[in-house]
Amino acid sequence: EVQLVESGGGLVKPGGSLTLSCAASEFTFNTYGMNWVRQAPGKGLEWLSSITSTNYKYSADSVRGRFTISRDNAKNSLYLQMNSLRAEDTAVYYCARETWNDRGIDYWGQGTLVTVFS
Amino acid sequence: QSVLTQPPSVSAAPGQKVTISCSGSSSNIGNNYVSWFQQLPGTAPRLLMYEDNKRPSGIPDRFSASKSGTSATLGITGLQTGDEADYYCVSWDTSLSGKVFGGGTKLTVL
Repeated sequence: EVQLVESGGGLVKPGGSLTLSCAASEFTFNTYGMNWVRQAPGKGLEWLSSITSTNYKYSADSVRGRFTISRDNAKNSLYLQMNSLRAEDTAVYYCARETWNDRGIDYWGQGTLVTVFS
Repeated sequence: QSVLTQPPSVSAAPGQKVTISCSGSSSNIGNNYVSWFQQLPGTAPRLLMYEDNKRPSGIPDRFSASKSGTSATLGITGLQTGDEADYYCVSWDTSLSGKVFGGGTKLTVL
């Protein structure tokens, strides 16, 4: 069964930085696109960024220039570098796998909580 | 304000049928695939339907989906209390070059 395990969440002050990781297993990581999606407390899902199997990247306007998605296929890992964090970035951050044919998300991790507060 | 529009809530009695709508535009639903996710309280989302109307293995055939023009619909028949959850639609938006989610619909099984 596909496994996605996020880590790296925690408490950070406004203006600070944090890097999230997602460890993938039980599938051939380097052949799949990957995504980051977040959910603020009591709110809906918000897509943040995607990276294709060929390393092409897409990002939402709300985080472009502050958040950077990357992957290390040798380590079967996905990352999200988050800079200039704001209170409104407080959310559960999910790692999610793209389908084999890049037509949507199929599997999700359990999420990691990021809290930005002073 | 979400790019895809869903009703905030729907409700129905056990055993009944409910539909959840997802309205978009030609930039997203009209020309790209739609997926649906179920999110039970306190858990990660789970894929319910993909490529507009396909069901992953393990999803009961009580769940169905369709698409017409720039709108998509999720249907659930034989409602159970365990179906109480938030439901989200998502599609790719060609103009935004990114995925867009609906705001989510809370299903209450009365």
